[in-house]
Amino acid sequence: ELKVEQNPLFLSMQEGKNYTIYCNYSTTSDRLYWYRQDPGKSLESLFVLLSNGAVKQEGRLMASLDTKARLSTLHITAAVHDLSATYFCAVDKASGTYKYIFGTGTRLKVLA
Amino acid sequence: NAGVTQTPKFRVLKTGQSMTLLCAQDMNHEYMYWYRQDPGMGLRLIHYSVGEGTTAKGEVPDGYNVSRLKKQNFLLGLESAAPSQTSVYFCASSYSKYQYSYEQYFGPGTRLTVT
Repeated sequence: ELKVEQNPLFLSMQEGKNYTIYCNYSTTSDRLYWYRQDPGKSLESLFVLLSNGAVKQEGRLMASLDTKARLSTLHITAAVHDLSATYFCAVDKASGTYKYIFGTGTRLKVLA
Repeated sequence: NAGVTQTPKFRVLKTGQSMTLLCAQDMNHEYMYWYRQDPGMGLRLIHYSVGEGTTAKGEVPDGYNVSRLKKQNFLLGLESAAPSQTSVYFCASSYSKYQYSYEQYFGPGTRLTVT
């Protein structure tokens, strides 16, 4: 059974600091997705990682994928308050249907 | 381009009542999904569809039915609502034959309370 685990579950950090969120998954998958969710809102796509070694960056966020280690990281550089949100990773469960299994989410709070 | 839309946005039901949630997408996507999200949790897949006229069960299908009579619409039905179905429901769509993309796009959500 495919499982997707994120850590930490909660993260409170000061503005200007760096931190990394980890996403581990339990079986082979070549596609991993990161989403952001603001309180009371829907999910917004951040990154799509489609191959081993993929790295994508947008502003202060950088995501990478290591399919051999079954690990993706979301690195936050010089955090700002606007990054406060819940971040989810998701992995395709099976090819051909593109069903996701979501991680539990990491609730990030950036303190001014 | 409206993307993925959901109606209604909010609904309160009494136990035993029925209702239908409507999801529509204008991106010509082949696949559509219904999820539920409970407080402090991730999303769990209820049902999904890989094309017009086809549906399949997800992780938590009990108590729900779905239909996809038109490619752009995916309906989620609750025949006899229970308090355990109080949740936020998200619809999503993905995969166009004309674009090499598996990314799911999400609707704004429907907040359902069953009393």
